[in-house]
Amino acid sequence: TQLLEQSPQFLSIQEGENLTVYCNSSSVFSSLQWYRQEPGEGPVLLVTVVTGGEVKKLKRLTFQFGDARKDSSLHITAAQPGDTGLYLCAGARRGATNKLIFGTGTLLAVQP
Amino acid sequence: NAGVTQTPKFQVLKTGQSMTLQCAQDMNHEYMSWYRQDPGMGLRLIHYSVGAGITDQGEVPNGYNVSRSTTEDFPLRLLSAAPSQTSVYFCASSKRDSLYGYTFGSGTRLTVV
Repeated sequence: TQLLEQSPQFLSIQEGENLTVYCNSSSVFSSLQWYRQEPGEGPVLLVTVVTGGEVKKLKRLTFQFGDARKDSSLHITAAQPGDTGLYLCAGARRGATNKLIFGTGTLLAVQP
Repeated sequence: NAGVTQTPKFQVLKTGQSMTLQCAQDMNHEYMSWYRQDPGMGLRLIHYSVGAGITDQGEVPNGYNVSRSTTEDFPLRLLSAAPSQTSVYFCASSKRDSLYGYTFGSGTRLTVV
């Protein structure tokens, strides 16, 4: 059973467009992280959110944790080819905060 | 500044063969884990360890064994390889609390024929 569902699964856009990736669950998480993975490499941490309703910005990337701590979103403004990659959300459940459950992933391709 | 080192990078096995995927970290992280990555399924947890001498099963442990004799090393053993174990395997480590994030190795691409 996949606890974290991401949508869309694939996204191909032109440079300069905006996009949003969603990470949804029926379970509550004590924290949620977003990773980006490039071909042939392991995922790299982008951000951790821990408070319901929290919004964090990382340059052109905006991350939000849902009020109920069951969902999260990643918004990219003015996408660039360097944003291309697989985006993964990952949640930690209360009582198992060192064990991350990963989402299904969103593959983003930004065309120049 | 190596981080998490995985070997080998690529491996082809015949059905029934055994092998060990190596993982070492130099950050003195307590927590280490193995994931497999398959298309459309994200990362699924195979086994994990919260410290030397302590291991536990994850979501998909069947066909795999692990041990943690030192803080630095966490090898993954395939006992009798099957085509269903064709995948990309990632080792990750973190401090006791995942809030600091996982550090991943660069992966091992395994093909079982």
